[in-house]
Amino acid sequence: GAGVSQSPSNKVTEKGKDVELRCDPISGHTALYWYRQSLGQGLEFLIYFQGNSAPDKSGLPSDRFSAERTGGSVSTLTIQRTQQEDSAVYLCASSLPLGASGTGELFFGEGSRLTVL
Amino acid sequence: SQKIEQNSEALNIQEGKTATLTCNYTNYSPAYLQWYRQDPGRGPVFLLLIRENEKEKRKERLKVTFDTTLKQSLFHITASQPADSATYLCATGGSQGNLIFGKGTKLSVKP
Repeated sequence: GAGVSQSPSNKVTEKGKDVELRCDPISGHTALYWYRQSLGQGLEFLIYFQGNSAPDKSGLPSDRFSAERTGGSVSTLTIQRTQQEDSAVYLCASSLPLGASGTGELFFGEGSRLTVL
Repeated sequence: SQKIEQNSEALNIQEGKTATLTCNYTNYSPAYLQWYRQDPGRGPVFLLLIRENEKEKRKERLKVTFDTTLKQSLFHITASQPADSATYLCATGGSQGNLIFGKGTKLSVKP
């Protein structure tokens, strides 16, 4: 597709359930990022994939959060045993390396809004 | 740990005036800074990048400066319009190649 695609756009779940959020980056983009944005807040870094390198997981808030990127393309963010404080918009972005693009700009999807009841 | 801060949560200005937003960083010497615009319910959109060896970068009504001595970047919108109302985010490369964002400044331009 032309841009970063995220699904679902909205997800309502019950506390304690597991959820999976999907991100389909722009074709050819080697870097993929996940961020979390709570209402009225800034972007909280979660995890970063770059090519075949080990992902930077330093932003994951707890071991209930995990992410994988298969075949260097699609990524799935999994939240196990969801809690109410997990409610937020989860944003995915992809990019080319700074040297390749000249700007390193991130292209964001529209986000997945998660509501945990 | 490295920090990137946008001091003002909100900025209200009159149409036609110049909006100036501030981004400060600490415990870090970034090679570049990026600025993004975010509209409600949307993902951020890239506006400009400025590198550490550049003092100033311009794009239409936008101007960004980078002062490595003050550890600060300023983002200016000249001749502001109500359509410029949005949240503006600065971002810089983290130590492990990721990108970290400031909390953003919400700009409101009144007609």
